[in-house]
Amino acid sequence: DTAVSQTPKYLVTQMGNDKSIKCEQNLGHDTMYWYKQDSKKFLKIMFSYNNKELIINETVPNRFSPKSPDKAHLNLHINSLELGDSAVYFCASSFHSTGELFFGEGSRLTVL
Amino acid sequence: GESVGLHLPTLSVQEGDNSIINCAYSNSASDYFIWYKQESGKGPQFIIDIRSNMDKRQGQRVTVLLNKTVKHLSLQIAATQPGDSAVYFCADAGGTSYGKLTFGQGTILTVHP
Repeated sequence: DTAVSQTPKYLVTQMGNDKSIKCEQNLGHDTMYWYKQDSKKFLKIMFSYNNKELIINETVPNRFSPKSPDKAHLNLHINSLELGDSAVYFCASSFHSTGELFFGEGSRLTVL
Repeated sequence: GESVGLHLPTLSVQEGDNSIINCAYSNSASDYFIWYKQESGKGPQFIIDIRSNMDKRQGQRVTVLLNKTVKHLSLQIAATQPGDSAVYFCADAGGTSYGKLTFGQGTILTVHP
């Protein structure tokens, strides 16, 4: 069983389109995250939700809108995609205030 | 600003050798550090962590050393195996909650048979 699963794994789209990436965790964690990994492998946090409430928003453009319908799901919607949005997006989860994050396998977004 | 960085971006070793991956951090208030391993096409996986009240922590074939004086930590992998080939990240939790980890750039470890 996959602990943190995200879909789709690959996404290729045109500039200006809107797309979503979904994430689900079955670990019973109360906190979920979105991280972005650029072409140089640099990982940076974007958002964090604890029990469906936004906790961290790292000055991400408002074209990015996370939505957490329940504590097991955290989806990422991106409007008006730009070339610079091309990256691998990782969902992760944890129990609050602990360091051990469990990551999904990533969703590679390519904007043409 | 705060940062966590690595001295060497790549490391190549022979199978059976010991590997040492280094990491420097800048936030003196950081009290919790984690090493992650990322294999190709996968997400980062937790390897080992260490809190600032410790200098050393050992796991299975891995040891993390923390030198708070010079703000440096290292990951030692004993008897490195081809399956250890991956990108290794140190991450700094900075004493905050909710998993706001600051990741270093990563070191690519390649193990040759």
